[in-house]
Amino acid sequence: AQKITQTQPGMFVQEKEAVTLDCTYDTSDPSYGLFWYKQPSSGEMIFLIYQGSYDQQNATEGRYSLNFQKARKSANLVISASQLGDSAMYFCAISFGNEKLTFGTGTRLTIIP
Amino acid sequence: DTGVSQDPRHKITKRGQNVTFRCDPISEHNRLYWYRQTLGQGPEFLTYFQNEAQLEKSRLLSDRFSAERPKGSFSTLEIQRTEQGDSAMYLCASSLAPAGEVENIQYFGAGTRLSVL
Repeated sequence: AQKITQTQPGMFVQEKEAVTLDCTYDTSDPSYGLFWYKQPSSGEMIFLIYQGSYDQQNATEGRYSLNFQKARKSANLVISASQLGDSAMYFCAISFGNEKLTFGTGTRLTIIP
Repeated sequence: DTGVSQDPRHKITKRGQNVTFRCDPISEHNRLYWYRQTLGQGPEFLTYFQNEAQLEKSRLLSDRFSAERPKGSFSTLEIQRTEQGDSAMYLCASSLAPAGEVENIQYFGAGTRLSVL
């Protein structure tokens, strides 16, 4: 079965510093998509960034970038210049074809002023 | 475009009662998904629709659960004879899935938090 692992249950980072959230996955399927979502305390899952397994370049969206290392099966999220509003739960997810997302257990990020 | 809308935001019910949740997806999105999230966990897939057809159901979806998307627009999720273990956040997501492509970005609503007493 496909699996997503997030090994950091919680992280504390000083405001304006960069932060890396870890995500590894396990699949033998060559075609898949990797996603990161942010979930503030309000509960809504906010899409941040997407990386396809065949994409040659690492995805970037503003302050978010995805460090995709296919051979190591890792898809870490990098947030540059962290802000207080970045405090939230962050989930990594994987999907195959136009189908469901399988999520990791999440990392709670707290930005310290 | 308005986002995915879910109603109600919160529902408190007594064990054994039936509850129904509604999800309005982003207009023109052909796919609609239901997930369940319990405390401290990531969302878990329940079921999804392409237009009005229900294409997959998780084994998490017991016989007490039923979902519909009658006209390919909004969807309802009904839980019959609720149990305390049904207490969770129920999240709905929608996407415009291009045929044959892996990229399928799902946009989520704010969820319905169910508490079964």
